[in-house]
Amino acid sequence: DVQMTQSPSYLAASPGESVSISCKASKSINTYLAWYQEKPGKTNKLLIYSGSTLQSGTPSRFSGSGSGTDFTLTIRSLEPEDFAVYYCQQHNEYPHTFGAGTKLELK
Amino acid sequence: EVQLVESGGGLVQPGRSLKLSCVASGFTFSNYGMNWIRQAPGKGLEWVAYISSGSSYIYYAETVKGRFTISRDNAKNTLYLQMTSLRSEDTALYYCARLRRTYFDYWGQGVMVTVSS
Repeated sequence: DVQMTQSPSYLAASPGESVSISCKASKSINTYLAWYQEKPGKTNKLLIYSGSTLQSGTPSRFSGSGSGTDFTLTIRSLEPEDFAVYYCQQHNEYPHTFGAGTKLELK
Repeated sequence: EVQLVESGGGLVQPGRSLKLSCVASGFTFSNYGMNWIRQAPGKGLEWVAYISSGSSYIYYAETVKGRFTISRDNAKNTLYLQMTSLRSEDTALYYCARLRRTYFDYWGQGVMVTVSS
């Protein structure tokens, strides 16, 4: 199975700041990497797929980059609604595997 | 609006069985592959099972293979997960999720399964 290593586990930031979350795969997954947002009381939201393609409705302050084994989610100019948990997931092969998550907290 | 609503969770003793359902609305259910994904308390997400739109292709995580069965009824817009020989480590919030190409574009709110004596 492809192991996904996500870092950091926790990240504290303030509105207006920019943050980056890293996700590393144990072997090449080409660009088949998705990012999801988890918020209490809401269903998990697909933000980005295929490494850098924004899902419809994802604000443009979100961006994804990377290929092979190293990927990054960047959120520019944080908004209050961005404080949540973020997961990466490889969708190159079964079993689909997820990173352990990054909790983005308000500083 | 796409909606996925899971049900059927609860408290069950080890070794017993439970069947989860996921009712879909807002899209043509029969056109999409569907998945079950779970999250144990305090843990990350774990993909559990996949079924193709016409039920021709089915895959399972090794942790549930031989114990869980995924199925669907396209006439009822419903996805199922039959879980047998349940173990404490199966305790988790179970989500159904729609597969678009190879990623999960819509998720349900989840249903809790607790395996305990």
